[in-house]
Amino acid sequence: GENVGLHLPTLSVQEGDNSIINCAYSNSASDYFIWYKQESGKGPQFIIDIRSNMDKRQGQRVTVLLNKTVKHLSLQIAATQPGDSAVYFCAENNAGNMLTFGGGTRLMVKP
Amino acid sequence: DAGVIQSPRHEVTEMGQEVTLRCKPISGHNSLFWYRQTMMRGLELLIYFNNNVPIDDSGMPEDRFSAKMPNASFSTLKIQPSEPRDSAVYFCASTRQVNQPQHFGDGTRLSIL
Repeated sequence: GENVGLHLPTLSVQEGDNSIINCAYSNSASDYFIWYKQESGKGPQFIIDIRSNMDKRQGQRVTVLLNKTVKHLSLQIAATQPGDSAVYFCAENNAGNMLTFGGGTRLMVKP
Repeated sequence: DAGVIQSPRHEVTEMGQEVTLRCKPISGHNSLFWYRQTMMRGLELLIYFNNNVPIDDSGMPEDRFSAKMPNASFSTLKIQPSEPRDSAVYFCASTRQVNQPQHFGDGTRLSIL
């Protein structure tokens, strides 16, 4: 993931629409990927993970897609709700037990 | 189940003072991580313990920073002496094993004046 410094990319969606948040990861040897949600004043919260032997995994209202060819990860949120407003981070595990985090994307849900 | 517990939640102190941040990982988790989050640099790994032993401290900024894990249920991150550029939110996370999600505490917001 790319560190975007002071300015987080922002995705603004209407309540009820689907959201897609994208992430480019850096290491083709990474074998485990996680999406986290971070609300203001809180720590990152685990949403969903995927291993490199899969290309899709579904949870409740969330789907993660992994494209190893182009080193791309996406998080799809169905029927986005105001409570989904937060900063979302992707993370890759490329060295033992250590994660490298992307710079984050801010999701804003308009009522 | 209790999550990762960090204290204090907020710390404001003057530069030059010693700062100690505390973390209690989730019971049964054998890996513990300290991170620092800033707007400029995002979320950075400082140090990582496995079974109470430091495995990788390459992210520790400089000698002013030190971390210990005296037992499986407690870790500290110490900054001495503190400087204004150390101001950030410091997170602790733990995980049960490799390729399992890390679970984060709610962080300590540190302000050095």
